[in-house]
Amino acid sequence: EDKVVQSPLSLVVHEGDTVTLNCSYEVTNFRSLLWYKQEKKAPTFLFMLTSSGIEKKSGRLSSILDKKELFSILNITATQTGDSAVYLCAVLYNTDKLIFGTGTRLQVFP
Amino acid sequence: ETGVTQSPTHLIKTRGQQVTLRCSSQSGHNTVSWYQQALGQGPQFIFQYYREEENGRGNFPPRFSGLQFPNYSSELNVNALELDDSALYLCASSLGGVKVGGELFFGEGSRLTVL
Repeated sequence: EDKVVQSPLSLVVHEGDTVTLNCSYEVTNFRSLLWYKQEKKAPTFLFMLTSSGIEKKSGRLSSILDKKELFSILNITATQTGDSAVYLCAVLYNTDKLIFGTGTRLQVFP
Repeated sequence: ETGVTQSPTHLIKTRGQQVTLRCSSQSGHNTVSWYQQALGQGPQFIFQYYREEENGRGNFPPRFSGLQFPNYSSELNVNALELDDSALYLCASSLGGVKVGGELFFGEGSRLTVL
């Protein structure tokens, strides 16, 4: 059965800390891996990773994919309270259908 | 703002009732997917519509049904509501998926509570 597993489930840090969120997957017909940030309702797109070993960066966020070991990490450096959210990892299979993990809830305190 | 709008934003129903949720996709998008997100869980794929036809379905019973209209807006219907149907229902639109690499644009969701 296809599955996406995220860890940790929850993380509490102080502003300025660096965090690493993990995502492993077992999905047939893998096409890409995506990261989303969900603060209240609609998940907002962060990254899409298709090739192994190529880091994607956006400000303090970065992510990389390892297709051999079937995992991805999302790094957030110098965390801010505005980074508090649930971070969802999802694998795109077939055309544009996604399998999501359960998410990592990040809380950043001042 | 993703250009994907859903209605209603919140609703409360009782067991056994039926509900219809609506989604207007982003302009130019011909594919709409529906996801169910229970509290504390990631979204789960319900089904997808591409150019008015169902194009894949997740592990949901037949009482979950859908429709896509010529303008590519979509409805999700759930019959014989059960308590476990309480969730946030997310609609996502895309342009056929493959060309844009699958970036989906999500609406704000409809939060359904079944009592």
